Amino acid sequence: QVQLMESGGGVVQPGGSLRLSCAASGFNLGDFGMHWVRQAPGKGLEWMAVMTYDGKSEYHIEYAKGRFNISRDISKNVLHLQMNNLRSEDTAIYYCARIHRSGWDYLDSWGQGTLVTVSS
Amino acid sequence: EVVLTQSPATLSLSPGESATLSCRASQSVVRYIAWYQQKSGQAPRLLIYEASRRASGIPARFRGSGSGTDFTLTISSLEPEDFAVYYCQHRYNWPLTFGGGTKVEIK
Repeated sequence: QVQLMESGGGVVQPGGSLRLSCAASGFNLGDFGMHWVRQAPGKGLEWMAVMTYDGKSEYHIEYAKGRFNISRDISKNVLHLQMNNLRSEDTAIYYCARIHRSGWDYLDSWGQGTLVTVSS
Repeated sequence: EVVLTQSPATLSLSPGESATLSCRASQSVVRYIAWYQQKSGQAPRLLIYEASRRASGIPARFRGSGSGTDFTLTISSLEPEDFAVYYCQHRYNWPLTFGGGTKVEIK
């Protein structure tokens, strides 16, 4: 059974950093591309970043480049999102999601999300 | 960046009625569109991918159609559990983007 469990969220001051983790079970990260998607309170979904199944490529939303970085630890089957220089507008629930078994970038398994609050 | 515009923002319907949701892309995305359902306090759930393919376990009352720039999600005979927010998403290029969502509420 595919399961994704995010952790690492919390309250952080503007300018601070957080590292989110997404523990995967029921499949190997090396076999599937993985994404981070966020949702600000009361707002819609916003794609943030992807790492391809082979780990060779990663893409980030333009305004997060240089601040956010996606990575993974294959040995632990964990995906990460390092977030630096956080701003109030980064306040959101952050979800990790696995791509569809077809290999296309549709997100068919999601974690429950972890809440990041950026506030002084 | 491909901009996805969903309409209407809110759809007020009664159980048993049909819902028609629209997603319009700012450029052709071929058929590279998915639809998701999100209920309050839950993560999104994939319903439809590649414009018209139902994801695993999704009931047949959910039907996707369209190509190019115009896509539709039709929910025939709404069940009580179908009242939720629906998002479209493309995979045509980076960045992936989502539409702003359509809320299907009970009339």
